[in-house]
Amino acid sequence: DAMVIQNPRYQVTQFGKPVTLSCSQTLNHNVMYWYQQKSSQAPKLLFHYYDKDFNNEADTPDNFQSRRPNTSFCFLDIRSPGLGDAAMYLCATSNIAGGYEQYFGPGTRLTVT
Amino acid sequence: DQQVKQNSPSLSVQEGRISILNCDYTNSMFDYFLWYKKYPAEGPTFLISISSIKDKNEDGRFTVFLNKSAKHLSLHIVPSQPGDSAVYFCAAIFGNQFYFGTGTSLTVIP
Repeated sequence: DAMVIQNPRYQVTQFGKPVTLSCSQTLNHNVMYWYQQKSSQAPKLLFHYYDKDFNNEADTPDNFQSRRPNTSFCFLDIRSPGLGDAAMYLCATSNIAGGYEQYFGPGTRLTVT
Repeated sequence: DQQVKQNSPSLSVQEGRISILNCDYTNSMFDYFLWYKKYPAEGPTFLISISSIKDKNEDGRFTVFLNKSAKHLSLHIVPSQPGDSAVYFCAAIFGNQFYFGTGTSLTVIP
């Protein structure tokens, strides 16, 4: 089945220690998104790639970076995680920018100790 | 600033009855609306959508109503089933931006 895969599902990192979350898709969608979701809050868009074009949200901290080496993979790098970065990180894909449904991965739960 | 609001964090409904989940928005430029369903430990999954040029869209037990003048969106589930218990997010699109609500946790009581 075509799907969006996120690894790992659970990640524990230490305060200040860089961490990378990964997302892959078999849907061949040209747009990939990273969202941060904290408890009882709406998913917050961090950035998205439209093909290789990177689009950063204005309020996304510089501490968050992303890489998309090819259509299938997208990575979220947190350079120096703080306690406030503990959250669920959701990867999503869609077929065109802003195009209707987004298909979500299961998320990676990040804990910062 | 939260442009899409779900003011009820939770809702409980008896099995077989109607579930009505509500969503309000502030931006009249939104041109497409979606509902997502999320189970614990899973990502949101698309449920149903509606274009701003329509006022109703139906898919099986799920119907979405759009009242543009009131900037209000609702999802009706009839009849409700225990498997419908999940968190429901509404989302709105303007341009290439998705705006999500904070979610409503639905519990369907057998």
